[in-house]
Formats: sequence, structure tokens, C-alpha cells
Amino acid sequence: EAGVTQSPTHLIKTRGQQATLRCSPISGHTSVYWYQQALGLGLQFLLWYDEGEERNRGNFPPRFSGRQFPNYSSELNVNALELEDSALYLCASSTGSTLAKNIQYFGAGTRLSVL
Amino acid sequence: AQKVTQAQTEISVVEKEDVTLDCVYETRDTTYYLFWYKQPPSGELVFLIRRNSFDEQNEISGRYSWNFQKSTSSFNFTITASQVVDSAVYFCASMDSNYQLIWGAGTKLIIKP
Repeated sequence: EAGVTQSPTHLIKTRGQQATLRCSPISGHTSVYWYQQALGLGLQFLLWYDEGEERNRGNFPPRFSGRQFPNYSSELNVNALELEDSALYLCASSTGSTLAKNIQYFGAGTRLSVL
Repeated sequence: AQKVTQAQTEISVVEKEDVTLDCVYETRDTTYYLFWYKQPPSGELVFLIRRNSFDEQNEISGRYSWNFQKSTSSFNFTITASQVVDSAVYFCASMDSNYQLIWGAGTKLIIKP
């Protein structure tokens, strides 16, 4: 069974540009989560999508946005890129289970470098 | 708000030694959910275990074991007879009511041959 897949693996952009990161969840999973792992800041929650709806958002500016498609894949968009957006962006998926059973499985991430 | 603390930034041991990674959590919730993940150099976070506050027993999986102590708010992870392949960054996390994982800073484990 295929795990969570993310593309591209690496992405290089310049300040002010837009970046689009993609994530395909494990088959049968309806929830997708995005996390940012930046040097010195650790892992931080960005967004949670479930059944096509945004369910929760972390403490990030509105230029971080995303969506979930009918096939449950997801896209993270970062507009007006800033140098500090350079990070590893990790996507995870889970079934729509209760808190007591929820496990988030992660992809290998997209490393975004902003020059 | 929940908080997870991993005070050990880096641990280095020689292969076959036992090693314990510490995790201390803070929460006001009476029911809570804790996790351990492993992040090898490839970057992918690998799920190891989840523990609900109401679970009865501590877990053992091969060389891995976890010790949950409510009295000290700790959820420590022990690797017995460590191997070079265990080298990675290990993260402890808790899940809040919005399904958001709250992460510790991670402990880098180096196993020397």
C-alpha cells in the first residue's frame, strides 16, 4: 500500500513568488494535515483538511492557504514568499477517526528554499 | 494549552547500549493523547506509538519500550541494545482536541558502531 506522497521533493523560489506543494494521502484516508519544520522553530501545525473542508488552522499568516480535492489529495499554497518560509513542509494523512484512534502518517516532505 | 518538552537535545551512545529518551508533557485535559515519531535523515516522520491517558499498560515492541508515568507527566522511550540504524531524531508529541499535534523539540540520537 502506498504511503503519503508529496511533490515536488525540492522547490526553489525567489522572494515574492508563489509556491504550490502537493500531497496525496494514503488510500482510504480522508484527512490531510500540513506541518512546517523550519530550522530553529521546530515542527509547527499549519492546516487540517477533512472531507474537503478546512477544519483547523495554525498560527500562520493568510498567505499560507490550501485546499483539499474530491479525491482527498491536497495542495498547500504559499504566496508572497519570504526568506523565513524556507523549511521542510510535511503532509500527513489519517482516517476520519476519533481522537482516541487518530494516527497521522507522514510523507517525506517538500523542502522549500526561498532565495 | 498543551506543551511537550524534550530536554535532551542530543544523545550519543555506542552500539548495543540501552538509551532512554525523555518526554515531559503539560496539559489541563483529563484525557489526552501522546505520540512518538522517528525522523531519519530522509526527513519522513515515522509513527512509532500512540498512548491514550486512559490506557492501562505500558508498551513494548521488540527492542522499543515506552514508560508512561502520570505522576511525573512523563512518557519516556527506551531502546534496548541500540543499533546504528536507530540513529535519527525522535519526537514526542501530544494531540489537542482539534487533531493538531503539539511537538517537542526532538532529541537527536547518534549510535556509534
